[in-house]
Amino acid sequence: QKEVEQDPGPLSVPEGAIVSLNCTYSNSAFQYFMWYRQYSRKGPELLMYTYSSGNKEDGRFTAQVDKSSKYISLFIRDSQPSDSATYLCAMSGGSNYQLIWGAGTKLIIKP
Amino acid sequence: DSGVTQTPKHLITATGQRVTLRCSPRSGDLSVYWYQQSLDQGLQFLIQYYNGEERAKGNILERFSAQQFPDLHSELNLSSLELGDSALYFCASSVEGARDIQYFGAGTRLSVL
Repeated sequence: QKEVEQDPGPLSVPEGAIVSLNCTYSNSAFQYFMWYRQYSRKGPELLMYTYSSGNKEDGRFTAQVDKSSKYISLFIRDSQPSDSATYLCAMSGGSNYQLIWGAGTKLIIKP
Repeated sequence: DSGVTQTPKHLITATGQRVTLRCSPRSGDLSVYWYQQSLDQGLQFLIQYYNGEERAKGNILERFSAQQFPDLHSELNLSSLELGDSALYFCASSVEGARDIQYFGAGTRLSVL
């Protein structure tokens, strides 16, 4: 079993919809949670960074961490075609603090 | 612009050859990470350097090696190249360790023919 599980998709939704992207993990020591966005064949860019549990909001993006369920989510409100990309979750906090990556979810926003 | 610079952007070479990929981290960042991403695959962590010293190793092949120089730039050397080594290679940097945000370069696209 992988330490971090993420559905690769693709997830296709109409423009304007609320998007929910998720990752589950198995290591209860993880404390730092990140979401990166990667456009096709470009370098990943950080979207959201949270420490421990709770919610964090930045514009149309909300990151949520539920440590009791070992589940993290990224919500995108009022989705735009420009949000079409692959979204990668990443987390750290284990014994060596190495960043563990999800496989990425490909998101397609249809105009 | 993340501040991480990778050169070259694209490399085309033949099987059996050796190439060197270069990365300049963001100003002030001490850690450099190398990742491989094959077509439609996730990021595979290869290796991390911190202030010139190897800190962590991932799934890096023995044919691959890396180093970080005193000016903190890093090079990834790939030798005896195989068709399967064709991929995007990303460099990332952070202030110190994995609890810090990693900033990624634009990548080097390696095509082995």
